[in-house]
Amino acid sequence: KNQVEQSPQSLIILEGKNCTLQCNYTVSPFSNLRWYKQDTGRGPVSLTIMTFSENTKSNGRYTATLDADTKQSSLHITASQLSDSASYICVVSVNTGFQKLVFGTGTRLLVSP
Amino acid sequence: DAGVIQSPRHEVTEMGQEVTLRCKPISGHNSLFWYRQTMMRGLELLIYFNNNVPIDDSGMPEDRFSAKMPNASFSTLKIQPSEPRDSAVYFCASSFAQGYEQYFGPGTRLTVT
Repeated sequence: KNQVEQSPQSLIILEGKNCTLQCNYTVSPFSNLRWYKQDTGRGPVSLTIMTFSENTKSNGRYTATLDADTKQSSLHITASQLSDSASYICVVSVNTGFQKLVFGTGTRLLVSP
Repeated sequence: DAGVIQSPRHEVTEMGQEVTLRCKPISGHNSLFWYRQTMMRGLELLIYFNNNVPIDDSGMPEDRFSAKMPNASFSTLKIQPSEPRDSAVYFCASSFAQGYEQYFGPGTRLTVT
């Protein structure tokens, strides 16, 4: 069964601090891995997308890593800002004739002043 | 670009009533997706259309759910009759083509009492 698990479920950090969110997946056949940011009351917005051959990708203060051997990914947020408070969802794309997205349940991040 | 447009943003209805959710994808996008998001299960794909044709509806929970895409600029998701367990946020997303980035709408929060 295709599954994406994320940890921690929730996290509180002080503004300016760094944090790392984790994602483990068991999907086949793997196509790509994405991290989405979802603000409260809004739809998810893509942060990064990585294919099998990529092991790191950055988008501003967000850096995602991918280890395809261990089927693990992480999202590192540097110098957190209050606007980073949101849910971060790890999504793995499975190639089933079309690219079907399998979503993790997300990590809820609160950046405190 | 207005992005993906969904209506209504909020819907409260009584059990047994018919509910219709609406979506206007981004102009020029030929792939459309309906998702449901709950706290327990996260985001789940309900149905995927390509060029107005349903390609995968394996995520549709049961016969009470139906979706249509009469043209490239409009889709509906209908629940009849609605039940309390259908309460969730329903997202519509569109992409330029299969495999391209998906852009999510703001969602419709459905509450069935």
